[in-house]
Amino acid sequence: IAGITQAPTSQILAAGRRMTLRCTQDMRHNAMYWYRQDLGLGLRLIHYSNTAGTTGKGEVPDGYSVSRANTDDFPLTLASAVPSQTSVYFCASKTEMTGADGYTFGSGTRLTVV
Amino acid sequence: SQKIEQNSEALNIQEGKTATLTCNYTNYSPAYLQWYRQDPGRGPVFLLLIRENEKEKRKERLKVTFDTTLKQSLFHITASQPADSATYLCALDMITGKLIFGQGTTLQVKP
Repeated sequence: IAGITQAPTSQILAAGRRMTLRCTQDMRHNAMYWYRQDLGLGLRLIHYSNTAGTTGKGEVPDGYSVSRANTDDFPLTLASAVPSQTSVYFCASKTEMTGADGYTFGSGTRLTVV
Repeated sequence: SQKIEQNSEALNIQEGKTATLTCNYTNYSPAYLQWYRQDPGRGPVFLLLIRENEKEKRKERLKVTFDTTLKQSLFHITASQPADSATYLCALDMITGKLIFGQGTTLQVKP
């Protein structure tokens, strides 16, 4: 592993089903983020984590939950998927939340809810 | 209302020319401004960060300017190459660590 690994790469999901998107990083970054990217709307923050054991809500958190049990993993769960959650999901990390450095992004998960 | 605006129309230029992309924002006071490159089907890749007290930053063929009075950043790629073709995103950081992204501008460099 080098950087951020997201799984699955893509998924077609029936509405109402539960789904967890996985994100693992090997850089020992404290801060981690989940964004969704939609055409015409750009990247929007769903949830974030300052450090292991803490999480916070972003701009569009409804319908999503996260956990941060350790430094490396930051899974995103859709409890009951709806078609409006069709999107490309990106996990990202940086060294510290308030540091002057850029994010490292994963390659994304393309999710289609039907 | 708060807005970040990047030119939604694609920018088409000839190889060897300088590409200039614009990022304007309103009702934000960012501590940092960042630029990312995104290729189709891939995640964004960090390019440059410029602080509010810096006017200009350079990295190889890339140059970023940041004017907090005009609330604008310009991103330049000199001696552009077809491999520079991608979507470029600007992002604001209000020192909270939570980036707010523009929608991006697609650059097409023709050989």
